[in-house]
Amino acid sequence: EAQVTQNPRYLITVTGKKLTVTCSQNMNHEYMSWYRQDPGLGLRQIYYSMNVEVTDKGDVPEGYKVSRKEKRNFPLILESPSPNQTSLYFCASSPIRDNYGYTFGSGTRLTVV
Amino acid sequence: TQLLEQSPQFLSIQEGENLTVYCNSSSVFSSLQWYRQEPGEGPVLLVTVVTGGEVKKLKRLTFQFGDARKDSSLHITAAQPGDTGLYLCARNQAGTALIFGKGTTLSVSS
Repeated sequence: EAQVTQNPRYLITVTGKKLTVTCSQNMNHEYMSWYRQDPGLGLRQIYYSMNVEVTDKGDVPEGYKVSRKEKRNFPLILESPSPNQTSLYFCASSPIRDNYGYTFGSGTRLTVV
Repeated sequence: TQLLEQSPQFLSIQEGENLTVYCNSSSVFSSLQWYRQEPGEGPVLLVTVVTGGEVKKLKRLTFQFGDARKDSSLHITAAQPGDTGLYLCARNQAGTALIFGKGTTLSVSS
């Protein structure tokens, strides 16, 4: 089944404790991206990657890091999480083709206390 | 960033009613996408509209792209409880990002 898999689904952590949210896709898509979703603010892009070793900032990159060492994986790293990073996070992938839709993962609900 | 304004923000209706939600912008787009998101899940693509004036149907859902390609609408006929969810419009920004509207939260009660 074609899908984007995120782990974990739920995570509660403490301020300052480094964490990684994994994302993997099995569709051989070139493009991958991370979004966060917050009430009243909608979906906002954090980082994206057009291919292996190519990453760039989205609208809200502060406090996050990403890497793209393999085509299928695009982990999101929070080096020192803070409470304002409590959010619902989504990974998405897509071919780089006009008008193609994104495939989203099921989300990771992160709480930083 | 060119904004997408969605209306209404919330909609609560009874099963069997019809409804329309709107997605508007001051800018012209080459295409527009509609997604539906259920609680606790990621958005799922419903349709992409490309041509001004285009109408696409997906069972009881009808999508229209405005003639000037600045607006779009989603019409649901005879809504059912299974239609409940967050409906999002989005445009593809130069292949680097999907820019989303804030969505319309639809609740259909039986």
